[in-house]
Amino acid sequence: DTGVSQDPRHKITKRGQNVTFRCDPISEHNRLYWYRQTLGQGPEFLTYFQNEAQLEKSRLLSDRFSAERPKGSFSTLEIQRTEQGDSAMYLCASSPLAGGRETQYFGPGTRLLVL
Amino acid sequence: AQSVTQLDSQVPVFEEAPVELRCNYSSSVSVYLFWYVQYPNQGLQLLLKYLSGSTLVKGINGFEAEFNKSQTSFHLRKPSVHISDTAEYFCAVSDRSYSGGSNYKLTFGKGTLLTVNP
Repeated sequence: DTGVSQDPRHKITKRGQNVTFRCDPISEHNRLYWYRQTLGQGPEFLTYFQNEAQLEKSRLLSDRFSAERPKGSFSTLEIQRTEQGDSAMYLCASSPLAGGRETQYFGPGTRLLVL
Repeated sequence: AQSVTQLDSQVPVFEEAPVELRCNYSSSVSVYLFWYVQYPNQGLQLLLKYLSGSTLVKGINGFEAEFNKSQTSFHLRKPSVHISDTAEYFCAVSDRSYSGGSNYKLTFGKGTLLTVNP
């Protein structure tokens, strides 16, 4: 068990560019979550996957954001036409489907800076 | 809808002093409660959680928290802090009603920055 991993750890981009982040959950964890954390705030829920199905999306997830989890393993979060307001830490978390389902384990995050 | 209020944005203390970080929540349903710690430029690490049973829960690094249902609080305490405890601490809740289709998404407070001075 190597924990949740995220790639890249840091990303600097120019406004208007597209970016994609990857999250690899703990193996055999069926549930996967994305959160966004802006400076001085707590993380805010973005979206939730159970296996490959995206079951909930926050209103924070505008149409420029898209998340996928093909085959129920790793997940990607893409932001199109980035804006300066997208600058934040993007956190991924996973939990099992059954025993211990209420407890999420977080990755190290991807810090995005939009210039 | 749920909300979490962390009453102190910053708590400075001296090394070896006791500390209490306060957390109150609001929810229309029963909740699970969590404390996470975040060191600079890192993700969140679970400190402890309340799921059911004893209202006093113990976690890692000598931390403990007490669930008070009547006051809707879940304050975090440590009897003697170390320099290495300097970090941001987040209180979080999730809906525990699995039968209602809860996905256990977390609602976080804004965090409390604990600074331990020598």
